[in-house]
Amino acid sequence: GENVEQHPSTLSVQEGDSAVIKCTYSDSASNYFPWYKQELGKRPQLIIDIRSNVGEKKDQRIAVTLNKTAKHFSLHITETQPEDSAVYFCAASIPPQKGYQKVTFGIGTKLQVIP
Amino acid sequence: DGGITQSPKYLFRKEGQNVTLSCEQNLNHDAMYWYRQDPGQGLRLIYYSQIVNDFQKGDIAEGYSVSREKKESFPLTVTSAQKNPTAFYLCASSILLAEHNEQFFGPGTRLTVL
Repeated sequence: GENVEQHPSTLSVQEGDSAVIKCTYSDSASNYFPWYKQELGKRPQLIIDIRSNVGEKKDQRIAVTLNKTAKHFSLHITETQPEDSAVYFCAASIPPQKGYQKVTFGIGTKLQVIP
Repeated sequence: DGGITQSPKYLFRKEGQNVTLSCEQNLNHDAMYWYRQDPGQGLRLIYYSQIVNDFQKGDIAEGYSVSREKKESFPLTVTSAQKNPTAFYLCASSILLAEHNEQFFGPGTRLTVL
């Protein structure tokens, strides 16, 4: 089955600096790569996603890049703010025609933005 | 935050007891999922279902059971066979389009074994 590795597990940055979280996946059939943000005590929520036919996607201060050949994708947060502090999960999804559709999550990265 | 709900928010169980966690969605989603969240281990898939009356084991199904009698509901039973059930449990749902599988999560249930 799919295996998603995520690093680092914790990340501290100064406010205004950039943060980068990296993930790798194992199954070349995966075609959808979402990123979720989970604030303390709350449910995970989708912040950005990318499909396998796209190499990069940006939404304001957040961007995601995908390298299909190397099977890795990354989340970039620029100009970090204290409210960016949370746990971030990457994930990889196999389309349903390849079998039951599942999303496999990474272990999460706890980001702390220091004011 | 509406659309998918879980109850109860907190649940306490004595050893040897079975407990059932509720998950309901009104998003008309075909797929529903149960995850367990432990510190440092991310989200691990327990069970998932894509259609009524059908479900599949995830990566850590031992000691758990589910049912999918209605599209809107996907309850999870934590049985006494689950040796370490204390955790945060998240239910999620999604549509099944091949190119889009955003999962919508419920607020979670924190289960503690006394």
